Amino acid sequence: DIVMTQSPDSLAVSLGERATISCKSSQSVLSRSDNKNYLAWFQQKPGQPPKLLISWASTRESGVPDRFGGSGSGTDFTLTISSLQAEDVAVYYCQQYYGAPLTFGGGTKVEIK
Amino acid sequence: EVQLVESGGGLVQPGGSLRLSCAAPGSTFSTYWMNWVRQAPGKGLEWVANIKQDGSEIFYVGSVKGRFTISRDNSKNSLYLQMNSLTAEDTAVYYCAGGRGWITDIWGQGTLVTVSS
Repeated sequence: DIVMTQSPDSLAVSLGERATISCKSSQSVLSRSDNKNYLAWFQQKPGQPPKLLISWASTRESGVPDRFGGSGSGTDFTLTISSLQAEDVAVYYCQQYYGAPLTFGGGTKVEIK
Repeated sequence: EVQLVESGGGLVQPGGSLRLSCAAPGSTFSTYWMNWVRQAPGKGLEWVANIKQDGSEIFYVGSVKGRFTISRDNSKNSLYLQMNSLTAEDTAVYYCAGGRGWITDIWGQGTLVTVSS
């Protein structure tokens, strides 16, 4: 199984400042056949189901603000919130969908400082 | 857009069984890979199982293999999860999720399963 490791477990960022979350996979999720990284980022607010923010490591879903950005390749990935807003308080998860079982990182809780 | 509505959760004794359902009113259910994802109270997300559009491919996480069975009925726009030999470790909110390929971009609100005596 591919193990996804996120860091930090939590972070507090001032409004308008940058938040950066790291996600590392125990093996590459970059497909040689299509040169795509099978990596997604989700946002989960309390009492709500997860919401897909980014797929293919860096492709924002429709309607997701452009302050959310995904980067990285192979085994190392980053989710960046360029200017934190109050509505971004949530837990963020990375997930690989390269192979079964699909696996999630442990989550990173983002709060306002 | 497809809306997903889970049902069937509740309180069950250890060793018992439960069948979850996920209804997807609309015409696009049959085009989606469908998944079950669970979240224990206060914990992170754990993918449980998925099933291809025509049911020809199915995958499970190791901890549920042999106990849980995922299935679908495209004529009823419905997804199911039969859960047997339940333990306290299966206590969680169970989400139905689907999407293009293995990307889960549509989620239900979840149904709570509590395994306790």
